[in-house]
Amino acid sequence: GDSVTQMEGPVTLSEEAFLTINCTYTATGYPSLFWYVQYPGEGLQLLLKATKADDKGSNKGFEATYRKETTSFHLEKGSVQVSDSAVYFCALHFGNEKLTFGTGTRLTIIP
Amino acid sequence: GAVVSQHPSRVICKSGTSVKIECRSLDFQATTMFWYRQFPKKSLMLMATSNEGSKATYEQGVEKDKFLINHASLTLSTLTVTSAHPEDSSFYICSASGAYRASNQPQHFGDGTRLSIL
Repeated sequence: GDSVTQMEGPVTLSEEAFLTINCTYTATGYPSLFWYVQYPGEGLQLLLKATKADDKGSNKGFEATYRKETTSFHLEKGSVQVSDSAVYFCALHFGNEKLTFGTGTRLTIIP
Repeated sequence: GAVVSQHPSRVICKSGTSVKIECRSLDFQATTMFWYRQFPKKSLMLMATSNEGSKATYEQGVEKDKFLINHASLTLSTLTVTSAHPEDSSFYICSASGAYRASNQPQHFGDGTRLSIL
């Protein structure tokens, strides 16, 4: 079945550091790919998405590129802030089917 | 954008009581709603999928008699945790999908409910 594997956390970085959170997927076909963010005590918010190969999703300084050849959708940000501390979920989706989530990566940014 | 309201945001109650959580789509008709459970520092676990007017489909290992789901209208689904015990304490999140103009994601999420059973 479809699955998403993402970097285990927790990840701790200093403010202004470069961030990469790895995400790879297994699926038959070409799903849409998403990154969701969950701030403490809240639900999930869509951070960015890509619907086809080579698409780049971007939002709030975060970027991720849909790489069909490596079945990856790594999340990056050039300079993180304390306010980026949250849990990040990679997910895939086909048509009317369920979202398939990765295990989540907890990110903590230290001032 | 599409708004999903979940209520209450937090509930604390005694063991043995039943607790109802509501999930409402405020500006679109949610043909399908999803209920997730999240343990501390863990990922989301899909509990069940409900379609308006029909019985919910539960994921393997989820007790349907413990977690009652009702989706009686296109804007409201409820999750009732019956005879709750401390092991039912968790963060419950609902999401909704449906025909929403300019929707940019397959599901829109509520803000979650923190359930604590004493």
